[in-house]
Amino acid sequence: QSALTQPASVSGSPGQSITISCTGTSSDVGSYNLVSWYQQHPGKAPKLMIYEGSKRPSGVSNRFSGSKSGNTASLTISGLQAEDEADYYCCSYAGSSTLEVFGGGTKLTVL
Amino acid sequence: QVQLVQSGAEVKKPGSSVKVSCKASGGTFSSYTISWVRQAPGQGLEWMGRIIPILGIANYAQKFQGRVTITADKSTSTAYMELSSLRSEDTAVYYCASKGGAENYWGQGTLVTVSS
Repeated sequence: QSALTQPASVSGSPGQSITISCTGTSSDVGSYNLVSWYQQHPGKAPKLMIYEGSKRPSGVSNRFSGSKSGNTASLTISGLQAEDEADYYCCSYAGSSTLEVFGGGTKLTVL
Repeated sequence: QVQLVQSGAEVKKPGSSVKVSCKASGGTFSSYTISWVRQAPGQGLEWMGRIIPILGIANYAQKFQGRVTITADKSTSTAYMELSSLRSEDTAVYYCASKGGAENYWGQGTLVTVSS
């Protein structure tokens, strides 16, 4: 199972919005509404930001939102803040054989 | 609130095996699903496999089939990940995670270094 495809890096200025894409196939992202998004700061464990495509866990800012179109899922962060600078990973259910597959990660820089 | 506490860092020789533990507290261990995810230095996250302790059933990523074994001891609420035939490319931080919808908890990570 190949990793999901994410841009290596994105950047934005404080207050702006950015979108990170996550492209899979009809065997993973396209078939299930089970994409999650994680934020990871250096030296820390990943933190769940979005699950089941568009749901936010309790405590996660509503500046974070998720969506999907076809085989591509997206994470949008609005009103960028300095603390949003981190690596972001998508993860999708990929069926009963493979179960889970991660994207390669995207480094977000807040300018 | 679930807490996952992993065993300490390990240094291993190529060709040997490593066994990392993940002790859970809070909640009901048998109802969790425990996944193992690794991250090589400067690299992304990689899903290795998972176990459903109440069933004792483990599933593995194809890449690690035959080299990884994930087990769980319900009596001590501890999950284990054993990786064999270690090579330098297995140098990574290994995380356990309990994931289910909005419920998502991670261990602190265990650094495994493979070096001769």
